[in-house]
Amino acid sequence: QKEVEQNSGPLSVPEGAIASLNCTYSDRGSQSFFWYRQYSGKSPELIMSIYSNGDKEDGRFTAQLNKASQYVSLLIRDSQPSDSATYLCAVNRDDKIIFGKGTRLHILP
Amino acid sequence: ETGVTQTPRHLVMGMTNKKSLKCEQHLGHNAMYWYKQSAKKPLELMFVYSLEERVENNSVPSRFSPECPNSSHLFLHLHTLQPEDSALYLCASSPGVGYEQYFGPGTRLTVT
Repeated sequence: QKEVEQNSGPLSVPEGAIASLNCTYSDRGSQSFFWYRQYSGKSPELIMSIYSNGDKEDGRFTAQLNKASQYVSLLIRDSQPSDSATYLCAVNRDDKIIFGKGTRLHILP
Repeated sequence: ETGVTQTPRHLVMGMTNKKSLKCEQHLGHNAMYWYKQSAKKPLELMFVYSLEERVENNSVPSRFSPECPNSSHLFLHLHTLQPEDSALYLCASSPGVGYEQYFGPGTRLTVT
């Protein structure tokens, strides 16, 4: 089992809809979780971090964490074409950040 | 300058050349990282430094040699590279090891 798993996509979502990105992790002891956005040819950009179970909202983005089920998700409301990018999930395991392979998101105009 | 900067942004080098990549962080962080990202592949962690001390070296070939003279600067010295080393090399910093990381713009390296 991979340490951090994401569906590679592409995930196609109509403009204005909610995009839902999911990530599962294998180490139950993981404590902190991060979502990054990476445009093609650019470096990853931190979107959100989440540390406790439940939802965390920041603008159009909501991160959801469920430690019992070992998954973390990112919801993007009112999706815009500019949200088209690869989204990387990252998990802190024993002070080591493990990145998933990313999910490609395509917002359809 | 703010955030994490990297120079050069683009580099083309022959297999017999020696070059260095430079990274500087202006965030007051204590940890710095080098990553390699090849086309359509996930991030590969290469080296981790915490307070100028190397804390992780992920089986990276010796033709890559890191240097961290202080907590704000990180170098990656390159020599006798192979074409398969062509990639985007990313530097990142974080407040401490295991915290959220902030990435520089990367150096696009092409080995001919």
